[in-house]
Amino acid sequence: QVQLQESGPGLVKPSETLSLTCTVSGGSISSVSSYWSWVRQPPEKGLEWIGYVYYRGSTNYNPSLKSRVTISVDTSKNQFSLKLNSVTAADTAVYFCAREGGDGDLDYWGQGALVTVSS
Amino acid sequence: DIQMTQSPSSLSASVGDRVTITCRASQGIGNDLAWYQQKPGKAPKRLIYAASSLQSGVPSRFSGSGSGTEFSLTISSLQPEDFATYSCLQHKSYPLTFAQGTKLEI
Repeated sequence: QVQLQESGPGLVKPSETLSLTCTVSGGSISSVSSYWSWVRQPPEKGLEWIGYVYYRGSTNYNPSLKSRVTISVDTSKNQFSLKLNSVTAADTAVYFCAREGGDGDLDYWGQGALVTVSS
Repeated sequence: DIQMTQSPSSLSASVGDRVTITCRASQGIGNDLAWYQQKPGKAPKRLIYAASSLQSGVPSRFSGSGSGTEFSLTISSLQPEDFATYSCLQHKSYPLTFAQGTKLEI
C-alpha cells in the first residue's frame, strides 16, 4: 500500500518561496506507471491540481501556476518536492501530494499540509 | 482547460435517503472521471474511478454512471458516515480539473 506524507514549513512570508516535500513509502517513486502530483485546497474552496513530476524528471504544470512552480524528484530518497515562489495570501491552502496511477486519476493521497502565507 | 460543473453545491438529506450528485464536463471526456469523498481535515478518498468502477473497500451503496459530458454519483441509502463533501475529477487532459464539490449535510 503506497503511503505519502507531506512535510515543510507551515508559515511562509509574502513574496517568499513555499517549499514542501512528499515522502513516498510502501512503493517506489520510480514506478513506470506513476506520476507524482501536488494538489492544493484553499480554505473552504475546491481542489486545484498544481502539477506532476515523473521519476525521470519530466514535469507538467497547471498553466495558472506555471510561471511560479517547480516540482522535482529525488529517487534516492523516494521523495518529490514542490516550490512555489512569490507567494501571496491567495496561496494559503492545504497542500496535498498524490499519486496519479495506472487508472489516470489520483489514487493515493497524503494527509495534507496547511501552509499559511502571512507576515 | 476542461471545466467541471457539479450540482447541487449543497444537499440536505437524511439517513436512508437515496441521493444523486451530477458532474458535467465542458467537453467530452469519455469515462476519464473519478469521484472523491472528503471529510473535514482529511485528504480526498477515491470512491469511483473510470466513471463507474467501485474502488476496492468502498461500500456497494456508492455507484457511478455516465460518459462523455454527463456523470452521476449515487448513494443508494445514506449512512451517517456518508455526510461529507463529494467532488469529481476529470483526467482526460491536462490540467487535471476538479469540480467545486457538493457538501452533503444532515
